Amino acid sequence: QKEVEQNSGPLSVPEGAIASLNCTYSDRGSQSFFWYRQYSGKSPELIMFIYSNGDKEDGRFTAQLNKASQYVSLLIRDSQPSDSATYLCAVESGSARQLTFGSGTQLTVLP
Amino acid sequence: GAGVSQSPSNKVTEKGKDVELRCDPISGHTALYWYRQSLGQGLEFLIYFQGNSAPDKSGLPSDRFSAERTGGSVSTLTIQRTQQEDSAVYLCASSGWTSGTYEQYFGPGTRLTVT
Repeated sequence: QKEVEQNSGPLSVPEGAIASLNCTYSDRGSQSFFWYRQYSGKSPELIMFIYSNGDKEDGRFTAQLNKASQYVSLLIRDSQPSDSATYLCAVESGSARQLTFGSGTQLTVLP
Repeated sequence: GAGVSQSPSNKVTEKGKDVELRCDPISGHTALYWYRQSLGQGLEFLIYFQGNSAPDKSGLPSDRFSAERTGGSVSTLTIQRTQQEDSAVYLCASSGWTSGTYEQYFGPGTRLTVT
């Protein structure tokens, strides 16, 4: 069974700090990896998509993928109170295009 | 439209009734997904459509659930003989490549309550 694990948190960081969110997955055939932000009562919003080993940067967000170790992380630099949300990791495996989601990490950025 | 739309936004139904949920994806997006999210839980995959290919139905929890996508656009998710455990937010997402950039957007969801 394909599993995606995230620390549920809550994770609290002070404003301006770097928030680090981690995700591990069980299926070595996984090919694409996604990070979503979900505010309470709202739908998930895709913030990062990565499929190659290494780092991918987009503004204050950096996704880091290590397929050998089967983990993907999300770094949020200069965290803002508006970044407070639940962050969901999702993994797409092989020819099956369904996404398997982790249970999410709740992040709170303290002003 | 500017985004993925879903209707109805809320649906309360009695146990045993059938319900139909609708999703209008972003024009040009070839992939369409249905998920559901129970209170405080992660997202559970239900079904995936890609272009004209046969859908991936591997996430449908029982044969009471079915979905179709007409003309590669609008999709409907039908739940027959609803049960209380079907209560959840049903989310639709569409995805595709636009000008070399991958896009994926979720709709606002349909909150289903089975009484």
